[in-house]
Amino acid sequence: EVQLVESGGGLVQPGASLRLSCAASGFRVNADYMTWVRQAPGKGLEWVSVLYTDNNRDYADSVKGRFTISRHESKNTLYLEMKGLRPDDTAIYYCSRGRTAMGYYFESWGQGTRVTVSS
Amino acid sequence: QSVLTQPPSVSAAPGQTVSISCSGSNSNIGRNYVSWYQHLPGTAPKLLIYDNNKRPSGIPDRFSASKSDTSATLGIAGLQTGDEADYYCLTWDSSLSTPNWLFGGGTKLTVL
Repeated sequence: EVQLVESGGGLVQPGASLRLSCAASGFRVNADYMTWVRQAPGKGLEWVSVLYTDNNRDYADSVKGRFTISRHESKNTLYLEMKGLRPDDTAIYYCSRGRTAMGYYFESWGQGTRVTVSS
Repeated sequence: QSVLTQPPSVSAAPGQTVSISCSGSNSNIGRNYVSWYQHLPGTAPKLLIYDNNKRPSGIPDRFSASKSDTSATLGIAGLQTGDEADYYCLTWDSSLSTPNWLFGGGTKLTVL
């Protein structure tokens, strides 16, 4: 059974850093592309970042230059390193396993970890 | 405001059928596949549809979807109270400036 468990969220001040983790089981994080998606309070889902199997990565413009996605293969864990956090980064962050058939889609999701950026 | 436009809310009675639209453009829905997700805030989003109209195993055939030109539609038949949730469309945007994934703004379904 595929399972994704996020952790690492919390309350931080503006400008602080935080590292989110997403522990995967039931598949290998290096075998599929992995993404982070967030939901700000009262808002919809927003794609944040992707890490492909070939180690290429991409980011939404809103986080480019501040967030870094990575994975640890032996721990089977995905990470999101967040620096220079701003109040508008406040959100629940979800990791998901990406799959490809004819098109791309996000097959499995975690329960999310909450990040609050406030002074 | 999202590039993919969904109605903010829809409602219907139990047993009825509801449709949720997702309108985009030639750079996203017009040339890429659409997937749909059900989400109760604070819980894990759930894949309902991929490749415009395919259901993953375990998703009942009450859920269906289609795509035409630059719009996609999710249909839910035989509404149940357990279907109350937010629904999102997702597709890839091929704009040269910022290629990435786009979610629709989301539609809150109320089962009256």
